[in-house]
Amino acid sequence: EDQVTQSPEALRLQEGESSSLNCSYTVSGLRGLFWYRQDPGKGPEFLFTLYSAGEEKEKERLKATLTKKESFLHITAPKPEDSATYLCAVLKTSGSARQLTFGSGTQLTVLP
Amino acid sequence: EAGVTQFPSHSVIEKGQTVTLRCDPISGHDNLYWYRRVMGKEIKFLLHFVKESKQDESGMPNNRFLAERTGGTYSTLKVQPAELEDSGVYFCASSHNRGLVPYEQYFGPGTRLTVT
Repeated sequence: EDQVTQSPEALRLQEGESSSLNCSYTVSGLRGLFWYRQDPGKGPEFLFTLYSAGEEKEKERLKATLTKKESFLHITAPKPEDSATYLCAVLKTSGSARQLTFGSGTQLTVLP
Repeated sequence: EAGVTQFPSHSVIEKGQTVTLRCDPISGHDNLYWYRRVMGKEIKFLLHFVKESKQDESGMPNNRFLAERTGGTYSTLKVQPAELEDSGVYFCASSHNRGLVPYEQYFGPGTRLTVT
């Protein structure tokens, strides 16, 4: 059964204190790994898609990397506005059918 | 470009009643998905439409849930009759369908359903 595990469940950082979030997965035939940000009361907001091991993508203070078993979301010099829940999801396809399997998320709090 | 919209944002109904949720995808997106998060759990897939056709409904919990996408535009998700365990947040997402690469899914704000 496909499984996505995120760690830690919660992370508190001081403003400017860099860190990484982890997403490990066991899935047959990975077709893509997605990172989303979710603010309270809102839907997941798309951040990145990674398709193959070794791929990296960056956006402002965020950088996502992918290996064959896990993905990391690196946050460099975070600001309080980076506080949110970060979700990892893997894409499973069968013919033209597609579905995302989500992890439970990492709740990030950045203190000023 | 307008994002995915969902209506209503909140719904409170009694056990045994019927509720219909609506999702309007991003214009031009052929793929439409329904997901839900029940209390304390991760977001779970319900089903996937390509235009008006159901491609995968393996995540639908039981036959009290009915999803439609007439004309391949907006979609509705009906719960009839609602049970207490149906409470949660229902998300809709959409993606386009160009080429062979699976593209990112954009999510709506969700509908919070409370069954009392």
